[in-house]
Amino acid sequence: GEDVEQSLFLSVREGDSSVINCTYTDSSSTYLYWYKQEPGAGLQLLTYIFSNMDMKQDQRLTVLLNKKDKHLSLRIADTQTGDSAIYFCAESIGNYGQNFVFGPGTRLSVLP
Amino acid sequence: DTEVTQTPKHLVMGMTNKKSLKCEQHMGHRAMYWYKQKAKKPPELMFVYSYEKLSINESVPSRFSPECPNSSLLNLHLHALQPEDSALYLCASSQVTKLSGTVDSGNTIYFGEGSWLTVV
Repeated sequence: GEDVEQSLFLSVREGDSSVINCTYTDSSSTYLYWYKQEPGAGLQLLTYIFSNMDMKQDQRLTVLLNKKDKHLSLRIADTQTGDSAIYFCAESIGNYGQNFVFGPGTRLSVLP
Repeated sequence: DTEVTQTPKHLVMGMTNKKSLKCEQHMGHRAMYWYKQKAKKPPELMFVYSYEKLSINESVPSRFSPECPNSSLLNLHLHALQPEDSALYLCASSQVTKLSGTVDSGNTIYFGEGSWLTVV
């Protein structure tokens, strides 16, 4: 079966780097995603990575994928107070990737 | 335009009411989704429509009735709900593409802002 796990809380100081970790179990996952959810809002796609990649960088965001260990991480450089939110890791499974499985979410708190 | 629009943003309904949640996208996506999200929990998949046909129903009670009248619209009809059905209901859409082994196109799923439902 599929299962996605994340640590539930992370606190960092403004200007530091944040690293949010995720593990997944379905080895057939082809795409893995990071979504951000601010209070009272829907989910915002931050970035995704294809399973044949090890790393993807997009401005302040760096995604690292260790497919052997089924471990995904999201690094946010120079974390700002506006980055405070819940971050969900997700994998898409199934032949057409239509079943998205989300982790429990990591609540990132950025302290001034 | 990478927008999924949901209405209403907030809905309060009684347990005997009939109401509907609406969702619209104009990205040409042929897969549309309903998710339910309770406070401090991840979204849970309810239904998936692919090419306007219901392809996944995650054992959702019949008091929730989805409808996909065309490729841009998705409705969720609500009837005889219970207080525990109060949640954020998220609509989403994506392309329907067979996952490729070579192309980094991403079967990206785009979410709306959600409809906050309170059942009293």
